[in-house]
Amino acid sequence: GQSLEQPSEVTAVEGAIVQINCTYQTSGFYGLSWYQQHDGGAPTFLSYNGLDGLEETGRFSSFLSRSDSYGYLLLQELQMKDSASYFCAVNQDDKIIFGKGTRLHILP
Amino acid sequence: DTGVSQDPRHKITKRGQNVTFRCDPISEHNRLYWYRQTLGQGPEFLTYFQNEAQLEKSRLLSDRFSAERPKGSFSTLEIQRTEQGDSAMYLCASSFGGGYTGELFFGEGSRLTVL
Repeated sequence: GQSLEQPSEVTAVEGAIVQINCTYQTSGFYGLSWYQQHDGGAPTFLSYNGLDGLEETGRFSSFLSRSDSYGYLLLQELQMKDSASYFCAVNQDDKIIFGKGTRLHILP
Repeated sequence: DTGVSQDPRHKITKRGQNVTFRCDPISEHNRLYWYRQTLGQGPEFLTYFQNEAQLEKSRLLSDRFSAERPKGSFSTLEIQRTEQGDSAMYLCASSFGGGYTGELFFGEGSRLTVL
């Protein structure tokens, strides 16, 4: 089996930095992905960590520690359009399993 | 072909009826996934294919659910004898190769409402 834990909601201010944490328990772990989903839209891929360390893509960075079964998504210079749900997902033997998601609220 | 397409986008049916959803993945993608999502939850894994082979089906999925990908291209998801608890968004996603990048390309989904 597998389980993923992430906060259900996070609130931050426009222009600030926010970190969304994810802990997981799974067998056959290959890596951790992050997805963004706006209300009424489909999930879209943000980043993937197959190895320990930090991956940076523009304003978004993602981190993985395999030994701690832990990862996070870091969003910098928050914009109102970043208001969305964010999902961590484990790549388990090529099967992608999603967490329940973190709703990010951004205040002006 | 610019993305994953799903049909129909919306389906309203009465309890006990059968429904079928179709997914056309990105043409060069050999992996195809089906997920179910309800409001406020993450996508729940249902099943996935590599080419025409169904690799795994969720143990949470009842026998009323079946999926096929007969020629390794499009896929169908059928729900027999629908129940109100089946009301959800059914998402299809595809990827190229073994999925080692963790990147799935999702369609816009098929929303099912069971009355």
